[in-house]
Amino acid sequence: NAGVTQTPKFRILKIGQSMTLQCTQDMNHNYMYWYRQDPGMGLKLIYYSVGAGITDKGEVPNGYNVSRSTTEDFPLRLELAAPSQTSVYFCASSSTGGAFFGQGTRLTVV
Amino acid sequence: KQEVTQIPAALSVPEGENLVLNCSFTDSAIYNLQWFRQDPGKGLTSLLLIQSSQREQTSGRLNASLDKSSGRSTLYIAASQPGDSATYLCAVFSGGYNKLIFGAGTRLAVHP
Repeated sequence: NAGVTQTPKFRILKIGQSMTLQCTQDMNHNYMYWYRQDPGMGLKLIYYSVGAGITDKGEVPNGYNVSRSTTEDFPLRLELAAPSQTSVYFCASSSTGGAFFGQGTRLTVV
Repeated sequence: KQEVTQIPAALSVPEGENLVLNCSFTDSAIYNLQWFRQDPGKGLTSLLLIQSSQREQTSGRLNASLDKSSGRSTLYIAASQPGDSATYLCAVFSGGYNKLIFGAGTRLAVHP
């Protein structure tokens, strides 16, 4: 049972480039989330989804986009990467049994 | 808007002490509350989940309590060990769509 899988684990982007962070879960959870964690800080919610086709903004959505075409997948798109988006990104899914996290993607924008 | 606060931000204790980590939230209309552990440079490991109808949960040396009416949760760690050194994060499931909101964490160091 893989749980929540994120790819890639590491990535270096140049300013202005775009990329998609992939997240997939095999637990059939309706709720999925994207967070960013800056050094020494807690997790800030970027976007979340309550089911296929339904997404909503979290605390820090600017510069990001998401889609949810299936229950399993919840990709996060960065358009026009900026140094301020250098962070560790975590994807999670949840049910009544709590939240489960992927191992994170460490992104550096230079 | 739900806000989650964790006190203290950092804690350094000698091995063997009993500890209490605090978490407070501004909107008491939460579903569940979950405590996590994060080691440096690593992902999040779930410690305890307290459902909204429960008052506490226990796992080994860990005990978490929840008082929704006062907007508080505590994580009690008994007989702390150096291996307990990590950041402890509190998160609440709130709002109509189960938004999961985190506190900034308590950074714990247990020294021999």
